[in-house]
Amino acid sequence: GAGVSQSPSNKVTEKGKDVELRCDPISGHTALYWYRQSLGQGLEFLIYFQGNSAPDKSGLPSDRFSAERTGGSVSTLTIQRTQQEDSAVYLCASSLNSGEQPQHFGDGTRLSIL
Amino acid sequence: GNSVTQMEGPVTLSEEAFLTINCTYTATGYPSLFWYVQYPGEGLQLLLKATKADDKGSNKGFEATYRKETTSFHLEKGSVQVSDSAVYFCALKAAGNKLTFGGGTRVLVKP
Repeated sequence: GAGVSQSPSNKVTEKGKDVELRCDPISGHTALYWYRQSLGQGLEFLIYFQGNSAPDKSGLPSDRFSAERTGGSVSTLTIQRTQQEDSAVYLCASSLNSGEQPQHFGDGTRLSIL
Repeated sequence: GNSVTQMEGPVTLSEEAFLTINCTYTATGYPSLFWYVQYPGEGLQLLLKATKADDKGSNKGFEATYRKETTSFHLEKGSVQVSDSAVYFCALKAAGNKLTFGGGTRVLVKP
């Protein structure tokens, strides 16, 4: 499709397990953003990529969170040793370049930690 | 730090009613301001934007004016439809590339 694609759409896992969330941005978009949406915290910025580098990772809540982007396209957000407070909807967005704001976000991955 | 405050919902109104969602912000410098909308079952999408003081953003019958003197960016629509039922998020972008969002306002339009 033409939009931002995220997978899986839902993920349920046990506390302490590692999870990987995937984002396929719109083709040709050089900037990619990860946000998360949780009850009580609203929408929070996590990390931003320009190409394969991450100039701003200030929103990652702890060193259990990491993200990478390869080939200037697909990005993976990894959460190690998950905790219950990691439960949220993780959203990805992309834009043509870093000067633009995202037009559309993906549908998100709903992560539930048991 | 930067922050966005918007009225809490839910806002329930009848079709053809006038809608206002208040949004105020705190930011260093001169931010760009945005409204995003999330329709049921869909991802967030940009509704409108304004990049400098006194700019008016508009789209789909919605309008918002960047008021620097009151640090506000209120969203308005003169005659809502059932299809406008959604969650609306006010957001700003200051220095850097991250968006700072308000808490969202759920709007329910009844026929």
